[in-house]
Amino acid sequence: EADIYQTPRYLVIGTGKKITLECSQTMGHDKMYWYQQDPGMELHLIHYSYGVNSTEKGDLSSESTVSRIRTEHFPLTLESARPSHTSQYLCASSEYDAGTYNEQFFGPGTRLTVL
Amino acid sequence: AQSVAQPEDQVKVAEGNPLTVKCTYSVSGNPYLFWYVQYPNRGLQFLLKYITGDNLVKGSYGFEAEFNKSQTSFHLKKPSALVSDSALYFCAVRDIENQGGKLIFGQGTELSVKP
Repeated sequence: EADIYQTPRYLVIGTGKKITLECSQTMGHDKMYWYQQDPGMELHLIHYSYGVNSTEKGDLSSESTVSRIRTEHFPLTLESARPSHTSQYLCASSEYDAGTYNEQFFGPGTRLTVL
Repeated sequence: AQSVAQPEDQVKVAEGNPLTVKCTYSVSGNPYLFWYVQYPNRGLQFLLKYITGDNLVKGSYGFEAEFNKSQTSFHLKKPSALVSDSALYFCAVRDIENQGGKLIFGQGTELSVKP
């Protein structure tokens, strides 16, 4: 079944730890995205990718980094987590759509708490 | 700059009554509009989109949305609400000016359907 997966679903860690949030999709989509959803519910784009070896920063300044070595995999890494990184992180993907406007498919999210 | 607004943080309706969740947009050029729903501790699910054509768009779970160019609105509607429709609803507009067609999300509207 084609889907988009995120692990872990919940993570509680201490300040200063390095963490990687995993995102994988089995739909063969070229475009992938990371959003941060704050407690006020708004979503902010923090990273996106057009395809393998393509990564771009989004609207919201983020201390995280991403990589896209394989089409299906788009992990997000925080080198040194801080309490300000506490949030919900949502991964999404969509087909490449030059001229069409395809919807994005979202993973279930990772809720990160940094103590 | 393109933007989308959801003027109501919360909408409450009784089960069986019609519901409307409001969305207005501001874009340069043709708007490409989307509605998503988010259930607790889940990612976003695509409901429907307007790209071109008929102003009334039908989507998943009995939802529909009416595109109104003169009022720059794209309100989500359902003729008869269910308790299971209670969730967070996001309107989004496709940013065709920047950043690879990312979605710009509204603030979200919490829909509460009471029995």
